[in-house]
Amino acid sequence: RKEVEQDPGPFNVPEGATVAFNCTYSNSASQSFFWYRQDCRKEPKLLMSVYSSGNEDGRFTAQLNRASQYISLLIRDSKLSDSATYLCVAYPTRAGSYQLTFGKGTKLSVIP
Amino acid sequence: DAMVIQNPRYQVTQFGKPVTLSCSQTLNHNVMYWYQQKSSQAPKLLFHYYDKDFNNEADTPDNFQSRRPNTSFCFLDIRSPGLGDAAMYLCATKGWADTQYFGPGTRLTVL
Repeated sequence: RKEVEQDPGPFNVPEGATVAFNCTYSNSASQSFFWYRQDCRKEPKLLMSVYSSGNEDGRFTAQLNRASQYISLLIRDSKLSDSATYLCVAYPTRAGSYQLTFGKGTKLSVIP
Repeated sequence: DAMVIQNPRYQVTQFGKPVTLSCSQTLNHNVMYWYQQKSSQAPKLLFHYYDKDFNNEADTPDNFQSRRPNTSFCFLDIRSPGLGDAAMYLCATKGWADTQYFGPGTRLTVL
């Protein structure tokens, strides 16, 4: 089983739509979780952290379910500029490490 | 201001010709990472430094080496690049909490 699994997509949605991405992780020792955004041929950039209580940043809402080892990202009112690949990330890879574990990413295309 | 700087942004080398990629960081953090990312793949950690303590991933080929002469700089040496080594190479340092800041990457082409 892969350590962090995501639906690769692509998700093609019209502007203004709401879209949700899901992610599962296998390492129950993981403590911190993030969503990174990666534009085509660019570096990953931190979008937001994910907390058990759920957290919101503008149009973006992230949720963590530790019991199910499941993470989600909801994007409301999609903009053309949201088109990117969204990487689900868990930390640490194993106890005592400093490593992040990345999913392969979910590609989103927002269409006019 | 850029926190992690990578040079060059694009590198073309010939099969088997050694190449060095460089990275510098302005955060003065003691941890630095090198990742390889191929198209539609997750970034794959090659190795990381904690201060001068070098930590190689078990599946990183011997063809890949690294040097860290000081806190700010880190180099990735590919001794004999093969066609399969064509990829984006990302350098990162530790950010706030458990996050990482990535540099813009070096895209390596092997002819």
